[in-house]
Amino acid sequence: EPEVTQTPSHQVTQMGQEVILRCVPISNHLYFYWYRQILGQKVEFLVSFYNNEISEKSEIFDDQFSVERPDGSNFTLKIRSTKLEDSAMYFCASASDGGSSSPLHFGNGTRLTVT
Amino acid sequence: AQSVTQLGSHVSVSEGALVLLRCNYSSSVPPYLFWYVQYPNQGLQLLLKYTSAATLVKGINGFEAEFKKSETSFHLTKPSAHMSDAAEYFCAVSEGTGRRALTFGSGTRLQVQP
Repeated sequence: EPEVTQTPSHQVTQMGQEVILRCVPISNHLYFYWYRQILGQKVEFLVSFYNNEISEKSEIFDDQFSVERPDGSNFTLKIRSTKLEDSAMYFCASASDGGSSSPLHFGNGTRLTVT
Repeated sequence: AQSVTQLGSHVSVSEGALVLLRCNYSSSVPPYLFWYVQYPNQGLQLLLKYTSAATLVKGINGFEAEFKKSETSFHLTKPSAHMSDAAEYFCAVSEGTGRRALTFGSGTRLQVQP
């Protein structure tokens, strides 16, 4: 069964550094998402992306965050200047269509640790 | 605005016992509801979804959930727990119009005792 793959599985970075989290969505999917889960807390929506533009974002997704689909397969989340509170598990997800009933397929996540 | 409340952050059952994980939702429009499972060091895997067809929804691994509009609930059940069911379970809601993103509950960690 096709999978969403995320790399790296664990990223350690120093505060103030830029990080790029990478995702390869399922190949025929058109809708892409980033979520994060701070340890012990809820899974929170960050951003959704369709047709090469952001379709929705949460209040968490401020100017320090950006997303990009640089080619036909990758979908990246960039954090420009990391803060300690950015430490979390980041999940990428994709969906075949934009209907609210269409389930999201999630990757295994990237654990980001900011020191 | 949509929201989900999962009652009980930890549930412990004996192997072979009934599993009941509770989820209540709030949505201004008819919702779509989902249950996801997260095994250790893995991503979120879809268990089942409710999309306004049958109110009793069957999913993978013997789980099912019933949508009850009058109670705004979507509880997850399994008649007989297996050791391999130990995981974290998340209920999520998506509104039928407009907002597409899923809103997750805080999760319930299921322990299965031998």
